[in-house]
Amino acid sequence: SQQGEEDPQALSIQEGENATMNCSYKTSINNLQWYRQNSGRGLVHLILIRSNEREKHSGRLRVTLDTSKKSSSLLITASRAADTASYFCATDTGGFKTIFGAGTRLFVKA
Amino acid sequence: DAGITQSPRHKVTETGTPVTLRCHQTENHRYMYWYRQDPGHGLRLIHYSYGVKDTDKGEVSDGYSVSRSKTEDFLLTLESATSSQTSVYFCAIREGDTGELFFGEGSRLTVL
Repeated sequence: SQQGEEDPQALSIQEGENATMNCSYKTSINNLQWYRQNSGRGLVHLILIRSNEREKHSGRLRVTLDTSKKSSSLLITASRAADTASYFCATDTGGFKTIFGAGTRLFVKA
Repeated sequence: DAGITQSPRHKVTETGTPVTLRCHQTENHRYMYWYRQDPGHGLRLIHYSYGVKDTDKGEVSDGYSVSRSKTEDFLLTLESATSSQTSVYFCAIREGDTGELFFGEGSRLTVL
């Protein structure tokens, strides 16, 4: 079974709204990462949060990590049509393996 | 641009035939990975390499083998392709200190 599970599986919002995606995982981690994938393309790294961090920001992205609940959330503020993509969380549990969840499909309507 | 190229980008083959996918990097990174992506499953790790001739299994390694005879190339081989191996295959390299992965554009394999 996979380490990370994203919720929701799909999300449709209007341009300008905020989008929140959640990720739960099962075992202890060194860090958690979020990636984006445009249709038909490879994944692109967005942001990494270490296990001793609780919140991190990068532009319109805000990531939180709660290690006690083994969960993370990705917030995209003021969404744009160009944010339409699939978003994946990935956990690094040590041993240099990075394990991905099934992803959230985000659709931002213009 | 992380300097990763995958080949072939598209391949159609028949059940029982051998298939090799190639991942080439220009950045001299130590760690390289092969994932497969299927609807509803996200990305699943097949095999990874932590140096020349050093490889290890991932989550879904059955039916796959890998080789890394030089730093820049990581090969994924399906000895006898099956329809269940129809998928999109992604190669990735790891940025050593940060743990970020950089992905290739994928290789779409169809096994008839």
